[in-house]
Amino acid sequence: EAGVAQSPRYKIIEKRQSVAFWCNPISGHATLYWYQQILGQGPKLLIQFQNNGVVDDSQLPKDRFSAERLKGVDSTLKIQPAKLEDSAVYLCASSVGTSGSNEQFFGPGTRLTVL
Amino acid sequence: AQSVTQPDIHITVSEGASLELRCNYSYGATPYLFWYVQSPGQGLQLLLKYFSGDTLVQGIKGFEAEFKRSQSSFNLRKPSVHWSDAAEYFCAVGNNDMRFGAGTRLTVKP
Repeated sequence: EAGVAQSPRYKIIEKRQSVAFWCNPISGHATLYWYQQILGQGPKLLIQFQNNGVVDDSQLPKDRFSAERLKGVDSTLKIQPAKLEDSAVYLCASSVGTSGSNEQFFGPGTRLTVL
Repeated sequence: AQSVTQPDIHITVSEGASLELRCNYSYGATPYLFWYVQSPGQGLQLLLKYFSGDTLVQGIKGFEAEFKRSQSSFNLRKPSVHWSDAAEYFCAVGNNDMRFGAGTRLTVKP
């Protein structure tokens, strides 16, 4: 079965520019997560979707970050405008449901460098 | 608030030696506990998880972990490390609100 797909794999932008990341979860997975992993740290949950609804976005910096999951399948995470501290790997994960007992499957991530 | 502490930032072991990676957590109820491995340029892969029952859980690649409620710990072990085990290891806790530790980087000496 195909895993979680993310694109692009790498992105370099200048501060104040905007950027968007795309995620395609495993087919049939209702729950989708976006994580931010800063170098030397563990992943931090940004937002969690159940189908096309937001379950948790308490750690999403809403002044500059936005995410959507139209039609409950693919998802896009946007940063506008980007800051230097947004340099990180952005990981997308999906699971069958929202319960913690459901394994989360992770994509390879998008490495963002903000100059 | 829930949190995860991995006290060791970097560990070096010789190939064939045993391994123990430490993880301590803080959580309001009985947690779901996880260990993930991340190789360079790869996404995270689940090694094992604990929800309830037997406190010693077996995972993939020969790893095991023991849940100790009294110590709020969930340490990862492997009896004999292989060179391919070199990677970053993350402990995580939570239900539908996963919290990860900062990770432990494992180096394996020949």
